[in-house]
Amino acid sequence: AQSVTQPDIHITVSEGASLELRCNYSYGATPYLFWYVQSPGQGLQLLLKYFSGDTLVQGIKGFEAEFKRSQSSFNLRKPSVHWSDAAEYFCAGGRAQFYFGTGTSLTVIP
Amino acid sequence: KAGVTQTPRYLIKTRGQQVTLSCSPISGHRSVSWYQQTPGQGLQFLFEYFSETQRNKGNFPGRFSGRQFSNSRSEMNVSTLELGDSALYLCASSLQGDPYNEQFFGPGTRLTVL
Repeated sequence: AQSVTQPDIHITVSEGASLELRCNYSYGATPYLFWYVQSPGQGLQLLLKYFSGDTLVQGIKGFEAEFKRSQSSFNLRKPSVHWSDAAEYFCAGGRAQFYFGTGTSLTVIP
Repeated sequence: KAGVTQTPRYLIKTRGQQVTLSCSPISGHRSVSWYQQTPGQGLQFLFEYFSETQRNKGNFPGRFSGRQFSNSRSEMNVSTLELGDSALYLCASSLQGDPYNEQFFGPGTRLTVL
């Protein structure tokens, strides 16, 4: 079955600390992979996407993600978290149809 | 350029009723997708419309239906509402609907079924 899994429901980090959010996918072929962010009361905003090629993808707001085929993972990283990064993060994958993970809620403490 | 708009933003219905949600895509976008977001299930794909035709469909019962008009605006209808239909319903628009085109999401319609 095609699916995207985000193992961490909630993560708390200190402002200025590094961040890594995990995402694993299960798909017949390599899916297109995406990370979205959702702030309270807002829709989802695309942070970055991976289709093929370079496995390290740069996105907006200083985020990056690395595609690792051997681990079926597409983890999101940021070297230094800002308080405004507190939000819900969703990993998604698919081709004709998108499969979303259940999300990781990020809390940033000062 | 205006973003994706969804109306209404909040809705309260009772079991057995039906509801219609509306989504206006970004101007020029021809694809509209609908998603259901719940705390337990996350975001689940409902269906996608492109040029007034349903092109993809998720695994939802027939009570969930949709349509798209010639101006690309889309409506989603849920008949015979159940308590479990309480969710945030998001629509997203894109130029062509393929993954190469970014999906832009609306703020959602919060549906509460009592």
